[in-house]
Amino acid sequence: DVKVTQSSRYLVKRTGEKVFLECVQDMDHENMFWYRQDPGLGLRLIYFSYDVKMKEKGDIPEGYSVSREKKERFSLILESASTNQTSMYLCASSLPRTGGSGNTIYFGEGSWLTVV
Amino acid sequence: RKEVEQDPGPFNVPEGATVAFNCTYSNSASQSFFWYRQDCRKEPKLLMSVYSSGNEDGRFTAQLNRASQYISLLIRDSKLSDSATYLCVVNNAGNNRKLIWGLGTSLAVNP
Repeated sequence: DVKVTQSSRYLVKRTGEKVFLECVQDMDHENMFWYRQDPGLGLRLIYFSYDVKMKEKGDIPEGYSVSREKKERFSLILESASTNQTSMYLCASSLPRTGGSGNTIYFGEGSWLTVV
Repeated sequence: RKEVEQDPGPFNVPEGATVAFNCTYSNSASQSFFWYRQDCRKEPKLLMSVYSSGNEDGRFTAQLNRASQYISLLIRDSKLSDSATYLCVVNNAGNNRKLIWGLGTSLAVNP
């Protein structure tokens, strides 16, 4: 089974703190993603990575950065956390090709971040 | 108009009922389509892909209507365990870079 692991499930941080959310996948997937999910807004892509050290901005990259130094690990960084970044953060991975199982997105269990 | 639209529900149905959800999409060039299921406070998980010819997996049937730009999900003989939010997902690119997620349709199956 594909496993996407988000190491921090529940975090409470103060405004202005630097926050690291870590994600590891064990299926040698090229693609990795960071989403946030908020009521009424659905899943929104923050950043996408298609290879080591390669990244693309998603729909809402402002206030976030990412790091992918190893294929299996994709980190999301909040340089200076703000209250509007309180959300559930979902890491995901997939194969790069289309069709069949290549399109399946596998998600981690989510990281619930509260910024106070 | 939103790129992917779903009726948020909630749909409240008794056990054993048949329920259907629709999802409309705006980009006629969209390439692939999926239904994901998300339980409360859990991550989304793939339920099924949607193929042009329609496809069935047990009690679940998915169909695609490209002419009218919608996909549908039919659940027969609903179970309590089917209670969840069902997310419609449309892929507008050759890989997964351009996934467009619907906001989801909430289903509650009651005893």
